[in-house]
Amino acid sequence: DTGVSQNPRHKITKRGQNVTFRCDPISEHNRLYWYRQTLGQGPEFLTYFQNEAQLEKSRLLSDRFSAERPKGSFSTLEIQRTEQGDSAMYLCASSGRGARPGDTQYFGPGTRLTVL
Amino acid sequence: GESVGLHLPTLSVQEGDNSIINCAYSNSASDYFIWYKQESGKGPQFIIDIRSNMDKRQGQRVTVLLNKTVKHLSLQIAATQPGDSAVYFCADDSGGYNKLIFGAGTRLAVHP
Repeated sequence: DTGVSQNPRHKITKRGQNVTFRCDPISEHNRLYWYRQTLGQGPEFLTYFQNEAQLEKSRLLSDRFSAERPKGSFSTLEIQRTEQGDSAMYLCASSGRGARPGDTQYFGPGTRLTVL
Repeated sequence: GESVGLHLPTLSVQEGDNSIINCAYSNSASDYFIWYKQESGKGPQFIIDIRSNMDKRQGQRVTVLLNKTVKHLSLQIAATQPGDSAVYFCADDSGGYNKLIFGAGTRLAVHP
C-alpha cells in the first residue's frame, strides 16, 4: 500500500499525559498536513510542512501541540498535557511537488484520540 | 465502527438513482475546490476536484459543477450504489495556499 499511513490508529490516554502520533506520507510527496476532526464536523487545518520546514500553523495549534518533520519524510504530532477537549480524529495528508495551488491532498486513515 | 457526522444533513436515495450533493462557499477568491468521501472510521478519500477556471469536470460516475456566480458547488453521482453510502465533504482553498477549508458534510444513504 503506497498511501498515507498513520500510527497508532487508536489511542486512549488519561488527562495530563503526553501522546505522539506518526504520519508517513506518500513517498514522492514533499508537502504534509495535519488536520483535526471532531464528530459531526469537517477536518480543520492544524499545520503544514514543505519538506522539513513547518510553514504554517493554525491558531488551533496551542502551545501544547508540536509537530515535526525532521528529515522531510515522516512527521510526528505531539500533544503534551492532554485535555478532554483534545479528543478527536487527527488526520494527516500529503500532496506532491506541483507548483500550482491546490495540489490534491491525500489523507491517511487518521488516529482516533480519546482523552479520559 | 464510529459514526462520522452524527447530525449531518442526510440525502437518501434508491440504488440506481442519481445523487446530487450541494455545497455553498463564501469566498469569491477561492480558486480550487475538491470533494472527499469519508466512510465511518476512515480518512477522507479524494473523489474529484475542479479549479475556478472550469465550470464542469467529469470523472468515473461523478461530475462536479461549479457556479461561481452564486458560489455553489455540486457533486453528481450517477447510478448510485450501496458502496457510495458515506459522508461527503466539499472543501476549498479559501484559507490560503495549501490549507483546505471544509464544509459541514452531507451524509448519503443508499437504499436497495
